[in-house]
Formats: sequence, structure tokens, C-alpha cells
Amino acid sequence: AQSVTQLDSQVPVFEEAPVELRCNYSSSVSVYLFWYVQYPNQGLQLLLKYLSGSTLVESINGFEAEFNKSQTSFHLRKPSVHISDTAEYFCAVSERNFNKFYFGSGTKLNVKP
Amino acid sequence: DAGITQSPRHKVTETGTPVTLRCHQTENHRYMYWYRQDPGHGLRLIHYSYGVKDTDKGEVSDGYSVSRSKTEDFLLTLESATSSQTSVYFCAIRVLAGGLNTGELFFGEGSRLTVL
Repeated sequence: AQSVTQLDSQVPVFEEAPVELRCNYSSSVSVYLFWYVQYPNQGLQLLLKYLSGSTLVESINGFEAEFNKSQTSFHLRKPSVHISDTAEYFCAVSERNFNKFYFGSGTKLNVKP
Repeated sequence: DAGITQSPRHKVTETGTPVTLRCHQTENHRYMYWYRQDPGHGLRLIHYSYGVKDTDKGEVSDGYSVSRSKTEDFLLTLESATSSQTSVYFCAIRVLAGGLNTGELFFGEGSRLTVL
């Protein structure tokens, strides 16, 4: 089975500051990697994903994540955050058959004015 | 919007009573999942289904059963609810795009269950 570690349960940051949310995974096989975002009282929404190709992937709202196979990491970054980015962010991995997805424990991003 | 609805959205019940949560989809997707979300644990897979009457266990399946008698409905049953099953339950479906499996999960709005 896979496992996903998100070391930071909460990350407070001021508006327009950069942020990095860390994600590490363990797996003996090749995996696909995802970041999901959850706004209050809602379900999760896909933010971005790495399936193959370029190790740097981007979302439409300015987030990016880089797959680092040697460090088994998939950290999420944004150069300048907005108040509206306040949410909980989950890293997830899936084996290549996509049958099961394993989620990290989540990181709450709190953007302060 | 992948057309997922969960019911009930909120439920309070007592220990030892049976509870069934329903997940309904309108787009004929093959794969459906039940997760529970608890603080500090993220989302943990309970059961998933890969077709009508085809289901498999996830990480935390003890105390839960599922059924899928038709494509659109995936039911999660707690035969005898316990306080440790107080949680928010999310249904998800796996979507194909253009016939390709992109791996994306779409989630329902969640069902908040409190077991007293």
C-alpha cells in the first residue's frame, strides 16, 4: 500500500507572500500524484496532477507542484497567495491502475490580510 | 459537476442502530468510492466499487458494508453504528475524459454522521 505524509497540519501566511505545502509519499511502485483542495463545507476538488511528462505541473489559479522521484516528494507552491486561497489542501497518490487513491492528512492554509 | 448527490447530508443516530448512506450519480461512471474524513487523518478509503455488484475493501472497511445493485447508486451501510464512526463521509466517482482514464476523482458534498 501507499502512504502519503503532509508534515504541516496548518500553514499561516500573509496575503501576497509565497507558500509551500509539503507532501512526501512512499511507494514501491510507480504512482500518479495529485493535489486536491477543500473549501469549507464542500467536497474536494482537483487542483493539479502529475501523470507523466514534465515534472512541473501547474494549475489555472497559479499553484504549481514539482514531482521529485529521488526525494519521493510532490510539494505544492504558489509565489503569491490570496485570501481566497484559504482552504485545506490534500496530497494524494494512486497506483497506475487508478483503482485506489491514498490521501495525506491535509494542510490547512490560512491566508491573513 | 459530475452529478453526484449524497443523502442524507446530515444524520444524528444512536449507538447500535443501522445507518445507510446513499450516493447517486447521473453519468454512468463505473468506479465509485466511499471515504471518511476525520481531523488529522485526511480521507481514508472505506470501500470502492468497479461495477454493478463488484466491490472491494479499502483501508478502514471494518464495520461497514456496501452494495451496488445498479450503476447509479452506491450504498454504504453501518450495520450497528458506533461512536467511532462519527465522521464526514464522502462519495467520489472516477471520471474518464475522452475515453482515457485521467485519474480524476469528483467528490460529493459529504454526509455528516453523528453517532451518540
